[in-house]
Amino acid sequence: GENVEQHPSTLSVQEGDSAVIKCTYSDSASNYFPWYKQELGKRPQLIIDIRSNVGEKKDQRIAVTLNKTAKHFSLHITETQPEDSAVYFCAANGGSYIPTFGRGTSLIVHP
Amino acid sequence: DAGVIQSPRHEVTEMGQEVTLRCKPISGHDYLFWYRQTMMRGLELLIYFNNNVPIDDSGMPEDRFSAKMPNASFSTLKIQPSEPRDSAVYFCASSSGTEETQYFGPGTRLLVL
Repeated sequence: GENVEQHPSTLSVQEGDSAVIKCTYSDSASNYFPWYKQELGKRPQLIIDIRSNVGEKKDQRIAVTLNKTAKHFSLHITETQPEDSAVYFCAANGGSYIPTFGRGTSLIVHP
Repeated sequence: DAGVIQSPRHEVTEMGQEVTLRCKPISGHDYLFWYRQTMMRGLELLIYFNNNVPIDDSGMPEDRFSAKMPNASFSTLKIQPSEPRDSAVYFCASSSGTEETQYFGPGTRLLVL
């Protein structure tokens, strides 16, 4: 089955700085890579996703990049704000509709 | 649509008691997932259904856990008997076969004393 590794587990940045979270996956059949944001006490919610036929996707201050050869993908957040503080999960679908989630990254943005 | 609905939102029970968690997926979604989230183990997939049929229950920790989906709009996760180590947040999520995005419910916070 699919195995997803996510790093770092905790990331602390100053407001306005950029943040990068990296994930690797094992199954070359994976073709869908979503990112979820979970605020404290809330449910995980999709913030951005990318498919294997695309190398990069942007949505305002967030972007995701995918390197299929190396089997890794990353989330980039620019101009971080305190409301970006949350736990971020990456996932890969292993070629099915069933995502395998990473362990999560706790992002802390200091004002 | 109101999104995925879960009940109860909070449950406090004593060890040995039966616990039943409930979920109503988004109308039209044909996949339903049950997850458990803890600090130690992260987000764990317990079981998922496709068109009301359980497909993979390999994540169910032991026989004390069972899940059912009697129809397309309702699922239950039952723990009998409950133990303190079952304390966690349990999420239900649903998705459609044409769109892979999972929509999570608000979760049930379970505390077993």
